[in-house]
Amino acid sequence: KNEVEQSPQNLTAQEGEFITINCSYSVGISALHWLQQHPGGGIVSLFMLSSGKKKHGRLIATINIQEKHSSLHITASHPRDSAVYICAATGNQFYFGTGTSLTVIP
Amino acid sequence: EAQVTQNPRYLITVTGKKLTVTCSQNMNHEYMSWYRQDPGLGLRQIYYSMNVEVTDKGDVPEGYKVSRKEKRNFPLILESPSPNQTSLYFCASSLNRGNGYTFGSGTRLTVV
Repeated sequence: KNEVEQSPQNLTAQEGEFITINCSYSVGISALHWLQQHPGGGIVSLFMLSSGKKKHGRLIATINIQEKHSSLHITASHPRDSAVYICAATGNQFYFGTGTSLTVIP
Repeated sequence: EAQVTQNPRYLITVTGKKLTVTCSQNMNHEYMSWYRQDPGLGLRQIYYSMNVEVTDKGDVPEGYKVSRKEKRNFPLILESPSPNQTSLYFCASSLNRGNGYTFGSGTRLTVV
């Protein structure tokens, strides 16, 4: 069993749609990270959360500590949002989800 | 520009030939770490360092060594590479473990 589970694994959306990617974790954590990996391979850190909600442009990340669940939302999705989104939890170790591959079609 | 610099970007080598992948950050970050990424397995942590001269094993340390003699540098050493170490490697740094991370551009290593 993975300590961090993401869903869905793959997601295809039409441009403009509202997108949600979910992350559940089973271990105690100090922080939850959302990462973005573009087809070229580079990784960018989008958010680091320990509670509540954060917003950056069209991206919103939330975390519910009691339910051990986090979501990444993308509003008004655009083809340039196409990437793999990875959830990662920092506890005693660094635990990674296997990623959600998002394709936004024009 | 604040960044994590990894070199080389691409490397093809032969089994058993020692190699080093360098990682350098210019943000005075205390925490640095190495990851490998494999299809179907995602990212896995190899080693991390909380500060100079402080290193510890991650999930998959076998076959790797690291050192942290200076704050800015955290090289990954493969003393005797094997084909199962063919992977995409990332270095990352953070002010401390609970903060946001800056990733290097990645090193695609092929061991034949």
